[in-house]
Amino acid sequence: KQEVTQIPAALSVPEGENLVLNCSFTDSAIYNLQWFRQDPGKGLTSLLLIQSSQREQTSGRLNASLDKSSGRSTLYIAASQPGDSATYLCAASGGGADGLTFGKGTHLIIQP
Amino acid sequence: DTEVTQTPKHLVMGMTNKKSLKCEQHMGHRAMYWYKQKAKKPPELMFVYSYEKLSINESVPSRFSPECPNSSLLNLHLHALQPEDSALYLCASSQERRGQGRRNTEAFFGQGTRLTVV
Repeated sequence: KQEVTQIPAALSVPEGENLVLNCSFTDSAIYNLQWFRQDPGKGLTSLLLIQSSQREQTSGRLNASLDKSSGRSTLYIAASQPGDSATYLCAASGGGADGLTFGKGTHLIIQP
Repeated sequence: DTEVTQTPKHLVMGMTNKKSLKCEQHMGHRAMYWYKQKAKKPPELMFVYSYEKLSINESVPSRFSPECPNSSLLNLHLHALQPEDSALYLCASSQERRGQGRRNTEAFFGQGTRLTVV
């Protein structure tokens, strides 16, 4: 059974810093890896999707990488802003319509 | 349009009530999902519908009854719930292309229904 772990559980940094969120998964037979953002009491907003054949994806200040062989993904946030404060979740999919397995998330606070 | 719409946004129900949660998407996705999320926990998969057929039930109690009337709609019928069932219920959808060597892709989530059982 797939297990997803995220480190750190919480992170607080001053505005403007670049930062890295880590995600690891136990079963390398994933089909894709997806990063989400969740604001308190809200739903999930998809940030980036990396297919298993890809190494990285970029969207604006966000860059996500995937290393299937080591079972790791990272989300890089450049020039952080207070509006980036949220919980960031990574989730692995095994393919088919089998749903996502989520990590517990990283709670990120960007200090103004 | 990458929107998944859930109604209602908030629901308070008694333990003897019957209520339904609704989810709608118009992206042509043929896979739809229900997740349950407790406070400060990640979402947990409850049900998966693939081409309007229930394909996964993650051992969810029978007081939760899913229904997929058509490819755009997903319901979750609730009956005789317990206070511990209080949570954020999230609906999601994704493409599923059979026979093309390509399976489900990006998942899109709704804003959730905040359910409180009293």
